[in-house]
Amino acid sequence: QQPVQSPQAVILREGEDAVINCSSSKALYSVHWYRQKHGEAPVFLMILLKGGEQKGHEKISASFNEKKQQSSLYLTASQLSYSGTYFCGTASGGYQKVTFGIGTKLQVIP
Amino acid sequence: GAGVSQSPSNKVTEKGKDVELRCDPISGHTALYWYRQSLGQGLEFLIYFQGNSAPDKSGLPSDRFSAERTGGSVSTLTIQRTQQEDSAVYLCASSLDGSFSPYNEQFFGPGTRLTVL
Repeated sequence: QQPVQSPQAVILREGEDAVINCSSSKALYSVHWYRQKHGEAPVFLMILLKGGEQKGHEKISASFNEKKQQSSLYLTASQLSYSGTYFCGTASGGYQKVTFGIGTKLQVIP
Repeated sequence: GAGVSQSPSNKVTEKGKDVELRCDPISGHTALYWYRQSLGQGLEFLIYFQGNSAPDKSGLPSDRFSAERTGGSVSTLTIQRTQQEDSAVYLCASSLDGSFSPYNEQFFGPGTRLTVL
C-alpha cells in the first residue's frame, strides 16, 4: 500500500523551514527519503529503521514514529538547491520492496 | 566508480511492438530494482533482483512485462506488445545488497523514457 505524503506541494523562500510528512497504513520496518530534481534521477537523503538507526545527509533530518507509522522530513534554512520532488518510501520487512508515495513538490524561491 | 547506467535514454515505439530496456548497475552491487515513473504517480516498484534471482516480481503490471539479470550484473526489462499506457520513465536502481540498513542506499540510474505511439 502506497504511503501518503503531505503536503503535495510547497513553496518556500530561501531560509525558511519546511516539514514533509509521510504516513502508512501498514506496520513499517523502514522509511526511505529521496529527492528528485527535474529530469534527474532520485538521490538518497535518509533511511530510518525501526529501532532508531538512521543515516542521512547533513542538513537533512527526519523522524520516524513507529507506533503511528509516520515519518517527517525536516528541511531547515532552505536553499535554492533544495528544490525538487521529495519521495517517501516505506518497507514492512528488512528485505522487502520499497513502496513510494507520489511525492511532495518543493520549490525554493529567492 | 561509474554510477548506474541505463540505455536507451529515450525510446519511441509503436503500439504492439516489443521493447528492451537495459540497466548496468554499479559494480559489486548485488541488488537491482526496476521502477516505473508515470506523471503524478510517483515511483512504482516493478521487480527486485538479488544476484540473478528475482525474489519479488509482485510489481510487474502484466505478463507482457518480464525481466532478467545475467552474471549478477546487467539487467534487461522487456515489454511485449507495448500499449500506450506503458509510456513512462523506467528507472533502475542498485544497492550493495537487498537489506535495508543505514549503509545500503539505492543508487538510481538516469532512466529510460518510453513513449508508445
